[in-house]
Amino acid sequence: AQSVTQPDIHITVSEGASLELRCNYSYGATPYLFWYVQSPGQGLQLLLKYFSGDTLVQGIKGFEAEFKRSQSSFNLRKPSVHWSDAAEYFCAVGAQDSNYQLIWGAGTKLIIKP
Amino acid sequence: DVKVTQSSRYLVKRTGEKVFLECVQDMDHENMFWYRQDPGLGLRLIYFSYDVKMKEKGDIPEGYSVSREKKERFSLILESASTNQTSMYLCASTGAGEKLFFGSGTQLSVL
Repeated sequence: AQSVTQPDIHITVSEGASLELRCNYSYGATPYLFWYVQSPGQGLQLLLKYFSGDTLVQGIKGFEAEFKRSQSSFNLRKPSVHWSDAAEYFCAVGAQDSNYQLIWGAGTKLIIKP
Repeated sequence: DVKVTQSSRYLVKRTGEKVFLECVQDMDHENMFWYRQDPGLGLRLIYFSYDVKMKEKGDIPEGYSVSREKKERFSLILESASTNQTSMYLCASTGAGEKLFFGSGTQLSVL
């Protein structure tokens, strides 16, 4: 079955500390992978995406993610978080011919400690 | 900037009412989507449309219908609202090969 797992429902990180949010997927076809962020009261915004090529992708707001095919993972990282990064983060997977029918993870809520 | 506008930010309805959620995008996108978002469940696709008057069921279409009479507008209809349809509803659109653009969401409460 196709699925996306974000194992951490909540993560608390101190401001200035590094961050890694985990995402594992199960998908039959070659995956297109996405990370979206939802700030409080707002819609989702694309942070970054992986379609092909370099497995380390850079996104907006200083985020990056690494596609590891052997581990079926697409973890999101940031070297130093800011209070404004407090939000909910969603990982999603789709296929080239899926017409953007993405499968979504349940989300990870990031809490920043001052 | 692409704008996806959902007509209401908060909506309170009674059980059995017919509910219309409206979504308008201004970028001439072919594809439009309706999701519901519930805590711990992520986003679940209700319906999507890849062209005017075309619609496809998503993962959870039961209790919902949609209408796409014009390219820029995609409406979600709850024929007879029930309490288990209390949720955040998100509309999104995309053109070919682009990212999804989301509206700010409509928080629907069915009492």
